[in-house]
Amino acid sequence: DIQMTQSPSTLSASVGDRVTITCRASQSISSWLAWYQQKPGKAPKLLIYKASTLESGVPSRFSGSGSGTEFTLTITNLQPDDFATYYCQRYNGYSRTFGQGTRVDIK
Amino acid sequence: EVQLVESGGGLVQRGGSPKLSCAVSGFTFTTSWMSWVRQAPGKGLEWVANINQDGSEKYYVDSVEGRFTISRDNAKNSLFLQMTSLTVDDTAVYYCARGYTALDYWGQGALVTVSS
Repeated sequence: DIQMTQSPSTLSASVGDRVTITCRASQSISSWLAWYQQKPGKAPKLLIYKASTLESGVPSRFSGSGSGTEFTLTITNLQPDDFATYYCQRYNGYSRTFGQGTRVDIK
Repeated sequence: EVQLVESGGGLVQRGGSPKLSCAVSGFTFTTSWMSWVRQAPGKGLEWVANINQDGSEKYYVDSVEGRFTISRDNAKNSLFLQMTSLTVDDTAVYYCARGYTALDYWGQGALVTVSS
């Protein structure tokens, strides 16, 4: 099965920072990757699909890039509402796999 | 307004067989793939299963294959997850979500706790 590995596991940042989260697939998944944001006690929220397409209503400070096996989620000008856990998810083939998550907390 | 509301969770004995339901409104259920995703306490997300529009295609994560069954009732805009032979490792919040690829709408989740 294709494994998804996120790095770092935890990231400390300040409001206004630019942060980058990496997601690596154990084999090529083309651009079949989504990113989600999850806050404690809440359901995940879709941010980006097809590696770089911003979901409707998601602020433009979120962006995604990559293809094949390496992908990044970038948040520019980090806002207080952005402190959360972020997950990548691959959706090629029949099964789905999430990364283990990256928690973004306040420095 | 889109709503997905899970029900049927709670405390279950090991080996138990609860059935989760997800009532959907606010989008066309009959044209949507649907999925279940779970999250063990303090852990990450794990995709569990998905089902196509008419229920003729179903896919499962290996760890639940043969124990869990996903189904749907399009007349009632409802999604189901029948779980059997539960172990403590199945303790999690179970989310229903719309989609086959990226999951764009999610319910609030239903907690299933398996007691030993």
